[in-house]
Amino acid sequence: KQEVTQIPAALSVPEGENLVLNCSFTDSAIYNLQWFRQDPGKGLTSLLLIQSSQREQTSGRLNASLDKSSGRSTLYIAASQPGDSATYLCAVPSGSARQLTFGSGTQLTVLP
Amino acid sequence: EAEVAQSPRYKITEKSQAVAFWCDPISGHATLYWYRQILGQGPELLVQFQDESVVDDSQLPKDRFSAERLKGVDSTLKIQPAELGDSAMYLCASSRGQGNTGELFFGEGSRLTVL
Repeated sequence: KQEVTQIPAALSVPEGENLVLNCSFTDSAIYNLQWFRQDPGKGLTSLLLIQSSQREQTSGRLNASLDKSSGRSTLYIAASQPGDSATYLCAVPSGSARQLTFGSGTQLTVLP
Repeated sequence: EAEVAQSPRYKITEKSQAVAFWCDPISGHATLYWYRQILGQGPELLVQFQDESVVDDSQLPKDRFSAERLKGVDSTLKIQPAELGDSAMYLCASSRGQGNTGELFFGEGSRLTVL
């Protein structure tokens, strides 16, 4: 059974810092990996989708990398802003049923 | 920009009552998902539809939960009777592709509180 872990569970940084969020998964037979952002009490917003054949994807100040062999993905946020404060979740579909498994998320606070 | 629509945004009910949530996916998206998210945790899949057919409902508590997508467009998730442990955010998502190989788009969610 696929297990997805996100460490740390919470992170607080001053505005302007570059930061890295981590996502690890136990079953490397994944089709893709998706990063989401969730604001308090809201739904999830898709940030980046990396296909299994890709190594990284970029969108603005966000860069996500994928290393299937080691079961890891990182989300890099450049020049963090208070508006980046949210919970960031990663998710992978895997196995014959392609069951989507989410991590518990990293709660990010960017201090002004 | 196309969005996944959900209603109601908030629902407060007493235990043993019935409750229903509605979801309208992005137009043209064949796959629809219902997830349940408990505070502080990631979403967990309840049911997945491909058009009007159920693809995966292995995690759906079928003694009290039901879901339908009769015409392969919008969907309803029902809980009857509601229990205290059902308090959670219920999220609907859709994707264009078949199965979990495409990008997922989520609605704003329906927050359920069972008293």
